[in-house]
Amino acid sequence: DAGVTQSPTHLIKTRGQQVTLRCSPISGHKSVSWYQQVLGQGPQFIFQYYEKEERGRGNFPDRFSARQFPNYSSELNVNALLLGDSALYLCASSSRDTGSYEQYFGPGTRLTVT
Amino acid sequence: AQSVTQPDIHITVSEGASLELRCNYSYGATPYLFWYVQSPGQGLQLLLKYFSGDTLVQGIKGFEAEFKRSQSSFNLRKPSVHWSDAAEYFCAVSYSGAGSYQLTFGKGTKLSVIP
Repeated sequence: DAGVTQSPTHLIKTRGQQVTLRCSPISGHKSVSWYQQVLGQGPQFIFQYYEKEERGRGNFPDRFSARQFPNYSSELNVNALLLGDSALYLCASSSRDTGSYEQYFGPGTRLTVT
Repeated sequence: AQSVTQPDIHITVSEGASLELRCNYSYGATPYLFWYVQSPGQGLQLLLKYFSGDTLVQGIKGFEAEFKRSQSSFNLRKPSVHWSDAAEYFCAVSYSGAGSYQLTFGKGTKLSVIP
C-alpha cells in the first residue's frame, strides 16, 4: 500500500506570497494532521482534520489555514509568507476508526521563503 | 500543557555498542508515547508506541522502549547499534484533548555512529 504522499517536494516563494501544500493520506485513513518542522527543532502541530472537520489547531497565526476533501486528502494554505515560515511541512495520517492513535508521516514539503 | 524533553542534543556511539536515548514528558494523565526516527531530508518513521499494558515495548529495527510512570520517562534502547541507525530521533506524546490526538515532540537527539 502507498504511504502518505505530499506535493510538491520543494518550493521557493517570496515574502508576501501565498502557498498551497497538498497531502494524500494512507488509503482508509480519515484523519490528516499538519506539522511544521523548523531546522534543528521537532515538528510543531498546526492542524488536525477528521472526516472533513477541524478537530485541532496549534498555536499558529490565522495566515495558516487548511481543509480536508471528501476523499480525505488535505491542503494547507499559508498567506502573506514570512521568512520565518521557511520549514519542512509534514503531513501525517491516522485511522481513528480502529482506535489507533499512531500517526504516519509523509516525506514532507520543504518550503523556502526568500 | 504537555511537554517533552530530550536532554541529549547529540550522541555519538561506536558501531556494535549499546544505545539509550532519554525522553521525559510532562502530563498529568498517562499519555500515549511514541518514538520516531528521521533520516536527513526525510519524513518521520514510527519506531514504536506505548498506549497501555506492558511497560516494555518492542519496535522495528531492534529498538525497544520502557515506560516508567514514576520517572515520567520513556527511554529508547538498542543493544547493538548499526551504522544505518545514524539519524535523528524524536520522542512524542499524544493525548485526547477536545477530540484531537495531536503529537507534541521533543527537540530530538541526533545519533552519530562511529564505524
